[in-house]
Amino acid sequence: ELKVEQNPLFLSMQEGKNYTIYCNYSTTSDRLYWYRQDPGKSLESLFVLLSNGAVKQEGRLMASLDTKARLSTLHITAAVHDLSATYFCAVPLDRYNNNDMRFGAGTRLTVKP
Amino acid sequence: KAGVTQTPRYLIKTRGQQVTLSCSPISGHRSVSWYQQTPGQGLQFLFEYFSETQRNKGNFPGRFSGRQFSNSRSEMNVSTLELGDSALYLCASSFVGGSYEQYFGPGTRLTVT
Repeated sequence: ELKVEQNPLFLSMQEGKNYTIYCNYSTTSDRLYWYRQDPGKSLESLFVLLSNGAVKQEGRLMASLDTKARLSTLHITAAVHDLSATYFCAVPLDRYNNNDMRFGAGTRLTVKP
Repeated sequence: KAGVTQTPRYLIKTRGQQVTLSCSPISGHRSVSWYQQTPGQGLQFLFEYFSETQRNKGNFPGRFSGRQFSNSRSEMNVSTLELGDSALYLCASSFVGGSYEQYFGPGTRLTVT
């Protein structure tokens, strides 16, 4: 059974600091997705990582994927208040069920001034 | 391009009743997946429809069902509602092939009393 684990689950950061969110998954997958969710809102797609070694950056966020270690990281650089949200990673169940996504529990990020 | 739309946005029902939720995917997307989000269980996959056929199903009781129409619009139905069915129901559409990136709708907040 595919399990997706994120840590930390809660993260309180000072503005300007750097931090990394980790996403481990238990079975082979060559793709992984990161989403952001604001309170009471839907999921917004942040990154689609499709191969081993994939790295994508958007603003202060950078995501990477290591399929051999079954690990993805979401790195936050010089955090700002606007980044406060819950971040989810998701992995497809298997290569034949790409739209059956298994989500991590989410990391609730709070950026304080 | 218009995004994924879901109706209604909010719904209050009583235990034992049934409910139907609707999802219109992004134009050109033929796959629609449904997810349930609760504070306790997180985001859980319900089912996926593609070309009017259910392709995948998550681990939910038979009270949860769905269908897809020829225009790719999808509905999900929950019969004999229970208090535990209170949740945010999200649908996501994707273009089959390529990155399989899913685009989420705003969700329907269902409250069962």
